[in-house]
Amino acid sequence: DADVTQTPRNRITKTGKRIMLECSQTKGHDRMYWYRQDPGLGLRLIYYSFDVKDINKGEISDGYSVSRQAQAKFSLSLESAIPNQTALYFCATSPSEVGNQPQHFGDGTRLSIL
Amino acid sequence: AQSVTQPDIHITVSEGASLELRCNYSYGATPYLFWYVQSPGQGLQLLLKYFSGDTLVQGIKGFEAEFKRSQSSFNLRKPSVHWSDAAEYFCAVGESQGGKLIFGQGTELSVKP
Repeated sequence: DADVTQTPRNRITKTGKRIMLECSQTKGHDRMYWYRQDPGLGLRLIYYSFDVKDINKGEISDGYSVSRQAQAKFSLSLESAIPNQTALYFCATSPSEVGNQPQHFGDGTRLSIL
Repeated sequence: AQSVTQPDIHITVSEGASLELRCNYSYGATPYLFWYVQSPGQGLQLLLKYFSGDTLVQGIKGFEAEFKRSQSSFNLRKPSVHWSDAAEYFCAVGESQGGKLIFGQGTELSVKP
């Protein structure tokens, strides 16, 4: 089984709908991250969480919210989806407090908003 | 502000040819540097990382990268490219405090037969 699992893998929805993307991990890592990937822009950080009680905004948090339900679960919500939120979304985890630990990524959720 | 630049959006090389993907970074302190690869439909897989010590680091799949502080670069190399190396490659710098990654824009690699 994958260490970092994202559900769903693909989603098509309409403008204005509420959407939740889920991420669960079996790596036992404290830190979890949500990124979005757009062509030519690389990955940009949306939100990150250092533990269950710690949530932080990233570079592009507007229009998104998150919930850290447990050490192993970190959900990303789009309260009212808009077309420019169409992107590939990645969840990642990392094990420690210093920057020298690589992040481990899920396989992504491809989200299309019509 | 920290930033990572990958100057080449798309590179095409012939199978068996050598490869170099460029990465330049801007970071005030000692950087932690990473290269990731993304195959179609997949997440990002770590190729290699640099924290300190030897400036030439070896990674998986025959890749290596060289950290050059004077040029603020961390270029990825492979002596002989295989068709299976076709993918998108991302360079990233990790913050020494906080653990966040800052990614470059990515370089898409195509491999000609």
